[in-house]
Amino acid sequence: VLTQSPATLSLSPGERATLSCRASEIVSTYLAWYQQKPGQAPRLLIFDASNRATGIPARFSGSGSGTEFTLTISSLEPEDFAVYYCQQSSNWPPITFGPGTRLDIK
Amino acid sequence: EVQLVESGGGLVQPGGSLRLSCAASGFTVSSNYMSWVRQAPGKGLEWVSVIYNGGSTYYADSVKGRFTISRDNSKNTLYLQMNSLRAEDTAMYFCAKRYSGSYRYYMDVWGKGTTVTVSS
Repeated sequence: VLTQSPATLSLSPGERATLSCRASEIVSTYLAWYQQKPGQAPRLLIFDASNRATGIPARFSGSGSGTEFTLTISSLEPEDFAVYYCQQSSNWPPITFGPGTRLDIK
Repeated sequence: EVQLVESGGGLVQPGGSLRLSCAASGFTVSSNYMSWVRQAPGKGLEWVSVIYNGGSTYYADSVKGRFTISRDNSKNTLYLQMNSLRAEDTAMYFCAKRYSGSYRYYMDVWGKGTTVTVSS
């Protein structure tokens, strides 16, 4: 089971965002982060905890291992306000997602 | 360009059936692991099913015995046959391709989704 915190994060453009994902059991570094905007499909941002997917800006970074993971957006751009999901790939199938963190404009 | 396009969604009564399609272009479905992921209105993402390149299939417990994933290699298309549909199956259904840049299972190419509504 994956849990994400906070459920909602309200920040302003230019600020730093820190999103957390916690796994109920050790998943090593087998964790991804996705971004989803309203009416769109999810987009893969980070895989294997800390690797940016193709075309993802450097302001997105991931860290963590074991059960605690963090997605950091160093300086928020207007297009970054979205919902973010973590997904574990340690014991699959099944593939499991966290409940998401909504990043709102303050 | 690598692309996935879902179709086949619609309104169906409880207990009914529906078959979703996911047409791929720019890559070969049969050479990849392919999944269906759904999202109920206003809710998070839920993985539904996967088919491996070798043909093995797996399902979420919530759909096991009711849904069947398959593919047609000649049409380069993925399918999801959904039977005994329930109100709780109402969702946007996405098909997604496994990311080839890792040994683990992540999804980097997604379709835009097709909406399934189960209601009388």
